[in-house]
Amino acid sequence: AQSVAQPEDQVNVAEGNPLTVKCTYSVSGNPYLFWYVQYPNRGLQFLLKYITGDNLVKGSYGFEAEFNKSQTSFHLKKPSALVSDSALYFCAVRERYSGGGADGLTFGKGTHLIIQP
Amino acid sequence: DSGVTQTPKHLITATGQRVTLRCSPRSGDLSVYWYQQSLDQGLQFLIQYYNGEERAKGNILERFSAQQFPDLHSELNLSSLELGDSALYFCASSVRGTGRYNEQFFGPGTRLTVL
Repeated sequence: AQSVAQPEDQVNVAEGNPLTVKCTYSVSGNPYLFWYVQYPNRGLQFLLKYITGDNLVKGSYGFEAEFNKSQTSFHLKKPSALVSDSALYFCAVRERYSGGGADGLTFGKGTHLIIQP
Repeated sequence: DSGVTQTPKHLITATGQRVTLRCSPRSGDLSVYWYQQSLDQGLQFLIQYYNGEERAKGNILERFSAQQFPDLHSELNLSSLELGDSALYFCASSVRGTGRYNEQFFGPGTRLTVL
């Protein structure tokens, strides 16, 4: 079975500082990894994904994520935080081959990112 | 705007009742996914349809069912509703095909409240 852990319920960062939102995953094979953001009363918006190749993935709104296979992590980063980045962030995983298992995305519990002015 | 539409936005009903949630995927997307978001369970995958056929099931209760129609819109039917079914229900669609690397685009959700 696949799973995702987001160890922090909330991350507080001052505006202009770098931010990191942590994510670790567990799959039996190789993963496809995704980050989504959810603003209040809105659906999830896709930020970026890791498929294969370069371990550093760049996405929307200046976000990037680093895939680390040995640590089974896919942390979301941004060099300089904006107040408008405040939202709920979800990491998700999908195994590369279904092998008869669940086919949907498996999400973490989410991390509230709060950027303080 | 993701291009995925869901109706209604809000639904309030009583225990024991049956409701239908509707989703229209992005133009050209053949796959539709349904998810449930609740405070205690988080975001959970319920079921996937691809071009009218059921493709995969997740944590979907037997009281729940779904279908995808020839025009590719999908409906999620929830019956014998319980208080614990109160949640935000999301529909998502992905680009043509069922490539497991394809990102999913989410609708705004339907908030179901069971009283």
